[in-house]
Parts: sequence; C-alpha cells; structure tokens
Amino acid sequence: GAVVSQHPSRVICKSGTSVKIECRSLDFQATTMFWYRQFPKKSLMLMATSNEGSKATYEQGVEKDKFLINHASLTLSTLTVTSAHPEDSSFYICSAISGQLDAVETQYFGPGTRLLVL
Amino acid sequence: AQTVTQSQPEMSVQEAETVTLSCTYDTSESDYYLFWYKQPPSRQMILVIRQEAYKQQNATENRFSVNFQKAAKSFSLKISDSQLGDAAMYFCAYYLGAQKLVFGQGTRLTINP
Repeated sequence: GAVVSQHPSRVICKSGTSVKIECRSLDFQATTMFWYRQFPKKSLMLMATSNEGSKATYEQGVEKDKFLINHASLTLSTLTVTSAHPEDSSFYICSAISGQLDAVETQYFGPGTRLLVL
Repeated sequence: AQTVTQSQPEMSVQEAETVTLSCTYDTSESDYYLFWYKQPPSRQMILVIRQEAYKQQNATENRFSVNFQKAAKSFSLKISDSQLGDAAMYFCAYYLGAQKLVFGQGTRLTINP
C-alpha cells in the first residue's frame, strides 16, 4: 500500500509556457500532499503543503503565482509551473500523508518529475 | 529553528560489510519523529526506518537499525550486510510538526563489490 504516482516523469518545455504535474495517491486517500523541489545532488526543499479542498500553504520564498497548486480531490494534487523559465528547471517531488495507514508524520513519496525549460 | 545535519557527504562500504551513516539534529522539542529515507538512482524516495523520540528502544527494520541518542540529538543509521541494492542517497529527516519534514543534506552511499 501507500503508492504515490506522478505524471509526467519528465517534461521538456519552451520558456514562457506552462507545465502541469500531477500527483496521485493510488491506493489511499491523501488529505494532505506536499510538493518539494530538489536541485542536483541537493536535498529536498519543501515548496508548499496542499490540503484537499483548500488553498495551498506556500513556504517562504516560493512564488504562489509561479507555482499554482490545486488539490481538488483526496487522490489528486497538481502543480502548475506558469510561464516557466530555465531557472525553474529542476526535479519536482510530491508526497502524501495517509491518516488511514500511518500517523500524519509519515510521508510517502512519488517518483518525481524532471522539468527542463529551454 | 530545527535543523538536520549529515556530516558525511559520501560513504563507501564493501559488500556484506556494515556501515553507519551519521545524523544530528537540533530541536527544543521533547516529542518528535525522525526518519531515514533512501533515494536510489531512480530518484524514488523510500522510507527506510522511523523512530519516535519518546521510545528509548532503537528502531530496527531487517538489516537497518538506528542508534538514537536523544540527549546528544544524534540519529545514526546502521546498515548490516550491505548489498549492492543499498547504494543510494540517504536522507535523515526530522518531523517538524504541522506535518512538515526537514531533511538533512544527504549522504551518498556506494557499495563496493
């Protein structure tokens, strides 16, 4: 149990376009999902916390208008990178919490999405 | 602010040997949770082991065990009988509360056949 998927696994886009990344919990309901960004050979940086049916909570320094997060259902959260620029190129990882399987402190991670903006 | 420090950017070990990865953290809390996550070349983050701070007994999961020293704020991971599939980045993480994890910088573990 506790499988989280992400789509697409990698995406290449032109500068100025928008890209949407999906995060799904496949076998559990996720009331809370998280979006992280990871630079090469670096640790994970939390971007935002997403709760189903409410607005996402962004970490300090993360542009809300640049990184739009929607958590419309208990199994799906989306991250849209708007007007992408080369500096947005990175590895984006989502995670989810299942209150049904574990206590809220245990996060299950998706496989990540590699974004390259040309 | 809570921080997590992994002082070993890279470690290597011979296959079948034992290796210990270090992690220290800073907190003023008494109840919290600590985790070790593994990130293999596939980049998929995998939960290795978790420890509740209120439990004095060290957590174990098969070949993986921790040495949790609460007073010293130390949380090391021991991998016994290392296997080639253990090669990965290992991240120590602290549960900050409000459902947030704080990650260390990571340790890249190489297994030598």
